[in-house]
Amino acid sequence: GAVVSQHPSRVICKSGTSVKIECRSLDFQATTMFWYRQFPKQSLMLMATSNEGSKATYEQGVEKDKFLINHASLTLSTLTVTSAHPEDSSFYICSARDQGAGRETQYFGPGTRLLVL
Amino acid sequence: GEDVEQSLFLSVREGDSSVINCTYTDSSSTYLYWYKQEPGAGLQLLTYIFSNMDMKQDQRLTVLLNKKDKHLSLRIADTQTGDSAIYFCAESRGPAGTYKYIFGTGTRLKVLA
Repeated sequence: GAVVSQHPSRVICKSGTSVKIECRSLDFQATTMFWYRQFPKQSLMLMATSNEGSKATYEQGVEKDKFLINHASLTLSTLTVTSAHPEDSSFYICSARDQGAGRETQYFGPGTRLLVL
Repeated sequence: GEDVEQSLFLSVREGDSSVINCTYTDSSSTYLYWYKQEPGAGLQLLTYIFSNMDMKQDQRLTVLLNKKDKHLSLRIADTQTGDSAIYFCAESRGPAGTYKYIFGTGTRLKVLA
């Protein structure tokens, strides 16, 4: 199946710093990628839809100035957590839509665990 | 409501069948999905079903869809210890091209040897 990678897999940062997470589709092009957040033992919450070449669409309650999304190419989307605080600590997962699959299917990255001290 | 609901836990013995249930909300969902998540990892697509189907079988996996009741189930035959994980159902919402996934609460499957 299609492969999506994320980098880094884990990151620890100090409060107040910014952290960038990359999401790449390795063997297909993705005009649409999605960013999710998962708290321990909870489901995935969609944060935003990342559209190549245009602005991301954020879900209600997600601060767009806090979580900056850039989808500069058909294989790369980045999520930057700005001025991170301990409450931003979470597991962040991206997914990419494989349009070539002929159906609406998302393939997920392995996730990035962020710990803000 | 807006939630996609699943029972939180399921425990079965190795070799038995597991049935994981899901109740979704959007009757216009085109596709419904089952994903598996192992500890500390991302989501692995297991199978999906198109909304005009009642059943789909894929090796040990059988998906049943009751569209009238908005009920989806995943049956795993001959459950193995490697099947222990969290299973999420997801529905796609929105028109084609702008859809997004809404995930269920997840069912933690524990397989006892």
